[in-house]
Amino acid sequence: DTGVSQDPRHKITKRGQNVTFRCDPISEHNRLYWYRQTLGQGPEFLTYFQNEAQLEKSRLLSDRFSAERPKGSFSTLEIQRTEQGDSAMYLCASSQRQGAEAFFGQGTRLTVV
Amino acid sequence: GENVEQHPSTLSVQEGDSAVIKCTYSDSASNYFPWYKQELGKRPQLIIDIRSNVGEKKDQRIAVTLNKTAKHFSLHITETQPEDSAVYFCAASTDTGTASKLTFGTGTRLQVTL
Repeated sequence: DTGVSQDPRHKITKRGQNVTFRCDPISEHNRLYWYRQTLGQGPEFLTYFQNEAQLEKSRLLSDRFSAERPKGSFSTLEIQRTEQGDSAMYLCASSQRQGAEAFFGQGTRLTVV
Repeated sequence: GENVEQHPSTLSVQEGDSAVIKCTYSDSASNYFPWYKQELGKRPQLIIDIRSNVGEKKDQRIAVTLNKTAKHFSLHITETQPEDSAVYFCAASTDTGTASKLTFGTGTRLQVTL
């Protein structure tokens, strides 16, 4: 599968624990996005990378959230001290250039208990 | 920031009928408007998109129209089939090179009945 891949697909964690998700974009896509989707809602923008530079962050991205894309390829999203309200589907997307289609990964479903 | 509203939230049509989903956006600088289809438990997939320099675009049974003056755009699906049943999301983006986020609507659950 040469699409956007995310790992893990599902994560159950206890409140207060830290979690990290990984996204591997389509090869040579220099743009990478993280979105969060809750049940019955559309994806909400979290952050955006162009190569290794994080160019935009949503106000939704509190100081417990951090994202990296150190070599301009894969990206990680870490949530520290998880809360029940963090339970959602975390989607990653990538695109090749300005104005190009964004392809989504299958997402990581996080459940905080 | 951008705000995208989408209607209706649910839509039920009989197989063979047409379905129309409407979205409005707030930021007049938005210039890219994709539509995504999301089946249960699956990733959103782009089905059609339109840019601000075009008023209408068609791809087989799917068409999208854009009215920049009124800041609204619509998805039209003709001759609906059961496999069209899914949640459809509209989105808007101002792609300036350094800013490129999509703002999504809340989705429309389309049910095509036999």
